[in-house]
Amino acid sequence: DVKVTQSSRYLVKRTGEKVFLECVQDMDHENMFWYRQDPGLGLRLIYFSYDVKMKEKGDIPEGYSVSREKKERFSLILESASTNQTSMYLCASSGGLGGELFFGEGSRLTVL
Amino acid sequence: EDKVVQSPLSLVVHEGDTVTLNCSYEVTNFRSLLWYKQEKKAPTFLFMLTSSGIEKKSGRLSSILDKKELFSILNITATQTGDSAVYLCAVRGSNYKLTFGKGTLLTVNP
Repeated sequence: DVKVTQSSRYLVKRTGEKVFLECVQDMDHENMFWYRQDPGLGLRLIYFSYDVKMKEKGDIPEGYSVSREKKERFSLILESASTNQTSMYLCASSGGLGGELFFGEGSRLTVL
Repeated sequence: EDKVVQSPLSLVVHEGDTVTLNCSYEVTNFRSLLWYKQEKKAPTFLFMLTSSGIEKKSGRLSSILDKKELFSILNITATQTGDSAVYLCAVRGSNYKLTFGKGTLLTVNP
């Protein structure tokens, strides 16, 4: 079975802190994605990556950056966290351009 | 911009009822439509539909796509309390990224 692991399930940070959210997948998938999920807004795509060292902006990239140095790992970075970035963050991977996404358990971030 | 609209946003039924969840979409160069179930954790994959009129079925769940009218439905028959979840619809367009709807919250009461 595909496993997508997000290392931090719950985080509490202060405004202005730098935040790293890590995601690792174990199925050699080329594609990895970061979404945030908010009540009433659904899942919105922040960034995605089709290959190592490659990244593409999604629908709401402002305030975020990403890093993909290895195929299995995709990190989401909040350079200076703000309260409006309080959310559930979901990482996903897929094996082909047309395949289904496999999601991690999510990282619930609270910014005070 | 790709758009996915799910209805209803929430639904409460009794065990044994049949429910139909709706998903309509606007997308450039449609490739596929996916359904996911999300309980209190990661969304889990249910179906992927690419062709019109072909029903996908898994146990009490089934789904069908109408590419002419740009919608899909997800049916759940003989609902159980374990079916309580948010059901997400997503569409893949020309750039291969998935756009999600806001989801339908289904509550099944005993």
